[in-house]
Amino acid sequence: EPEVTQTPSHQVTQMGQEVILRCVPISNHLYFYWYRQILGQKVEFLVSFYNNEISEKSEIFDDQFSVERPDGSNFTLKIRSTKLEDSAMYFCASRQETSNTGELFFGEGSRLTVL
Amino acid sequence: GDSVTQMEGPVTLSEEAFLTINCTYTATGYPSLFWYVQYPGEGLQLLLKATKADDKGSNKGFEATYRKETTSFHLEKGSVQVSDSAVYFCALVTGTASKLTFGTGTRLQVTL
Repeated sequence: EPEVTQTPSHQVTQMGQEVILRCVPISNHLYFYWYRQILGQKVEFLVSFYNNEISEKSEIFDDQFSVERPDGSNFTLKIRSTKLEDSAMYFCASRQETSNTGELFFGEGSRLTVL
Repeated sequence: GDSVTQMEGPVTLSEEAFLTINCTYTATGYPSLFWYVQYPGEGLQLLLKATKADDKGSNKGFEATYRKETTSFHLEKGSVQVSDSAVYFCALVTGTASKLTFGTGTRLQVTL
């Protein structure tokens, strides 16, 4: 069964360092998302991506964040200069159909720890 | 804005017990409602969904009914198993927005 894969599963970094989280969405999906969950808090929407551009982003997704689909298969989230409060589980998701009732398929998440 | 409120966990039950995880929502439009589940070491998976009032979503013995009058979508299962131990997330999407709004998640631990 097709699945969304994420790497790394866990990354520890020093504050101020750049981090890139990678995702391989399901191959025929058209919409891509990043969510995050700070420990004990809600799963929060960060950004959606369609047709090679950001379609929506939350206020969390500031200039320190960027997304890219560099090669037609990977979908990356870059945090340019990490802060302690960026420590969270980051989930990638993808979706095929355009209906707003469509199912999102999620990866297993990448846990980021900023020291 | 849209929001989802779930009962706090963890919820610990014995095998074969009845499960209820409460979920209520506020939404500006007419939402579709979802339950996602995350088993240990895995990603979020869609468990069930309902797209209009009084719809009942069901899967793997779990059920939830879309109650517009009480703005609720409580998850129930008549007899839980150890394999149901996971974190359960209630979520909604409204209008043409494609992003999901999640609750905090409720951890369920089922013991023998």
